[in-house]
Amino acid sequence: DIVMTQSPDSLAVSLGERATINCKSSQSVLYSSNNKNYLAWYQQKPGQPPKLLIYWASTRESGVPDRFSGSGSGTDFTLTISSLQAEDVAVYYCQQYYSTLLFTFGPGTKVDIK
Amino acid sequence: QVQLQESGPGLVKPSETLSLTCAVSGYSISSGYYWGWIRQPPGKGLEWIGSIYHSGSTYYNPSLKSRVTISVDTSKNQFSLKLSSVTAADTAVYYCARHVIGSSGYLYYFDYWGQGTLVTVSS
Repeated sequence: DIVMTQSPDSLAVSLGERATINCKSSQSVLYSSNNKNYLAWYQQKPGQPPKLLIYWASTRESGVPDRFSGSGSGTDFTLTISSLQAEDVAVYYCQQYYSTLLFTFGPGTKVDIK
Repeated sequence: QVQLQESGPGLVKPSETLSLTCAVSGYSISSGYYWGWIRQPPGKGLEWIGSIYHSGSTYYNPSLKSRVTISVDTSKNQFSLKLSSVTAADTAVYYCARHVIGSSGYLYYFDYWGQGTLVTVSS
C-alpha cells in the first residue's frame, strides 16, 4: 500500500499571506512512461464534500482560483495558497492514484486564519 | 452539470447490511467514467471503498473487499453500495463520486462528489 502523510497537521495564516501544505508518499507516484505524478489535492470545507483542486500534482481543476498551486515530484509534493482568503479555511487532502489496487488519501491539513 | 445524490438509511444495526444508492443526474453513467464510494468517519480522513464501471467491472479496497458489493443500474442512472456485517467502526459519512478514468483504463482522481450521507451503526 502507498501511505500518504501530510504536514503540518494544521496551520494558521494571516489573510493575504502564503500557506504551504506538504504531502509525502511512501513510494514514488511518478509514472516513468508518461512522466506524470499520480497525485491530486482536495479542499473540504466544514459540512461539505471534498472538492477537487489539483490533479497530476500541478494541474488546476477548471474554476479553481490561480492562488492555488501544486508542485513536487516523486514522493514529495506541496500545495501552496499564495494569498490566503477567508473562504480558503478548510481541510486539505492529498490523494495518490498511482496504485489502482488501493487509492489512498493523506490524513488532511487544517488551514485557519491567524 | 453533473450531480450525485446519496440516499439510504441513516441508522443500521450492528451485524446488519448497510445499503446506499447514488443517483446521478446531468451525465449518463453509461457514457463512461467509473463511479465510486468513499467514506469519512466523523472527524477523520477519507477512505476509498470501491468503484464500478457501467459494465459492472469493479475495484474494491482490499481491506473491505470481503464485505463490499457495488452494483450499477444504468436504466435508473444510479449505482449502489452494500456493506455487510457492519460494526460501529463503519459509522461514517458515505460519499459517492465520479472516478475519472484515462484512455488506458487507468483510474485517477474524483472530480464530482455527492453531498454525503451519515450512516450510524448502533443498536
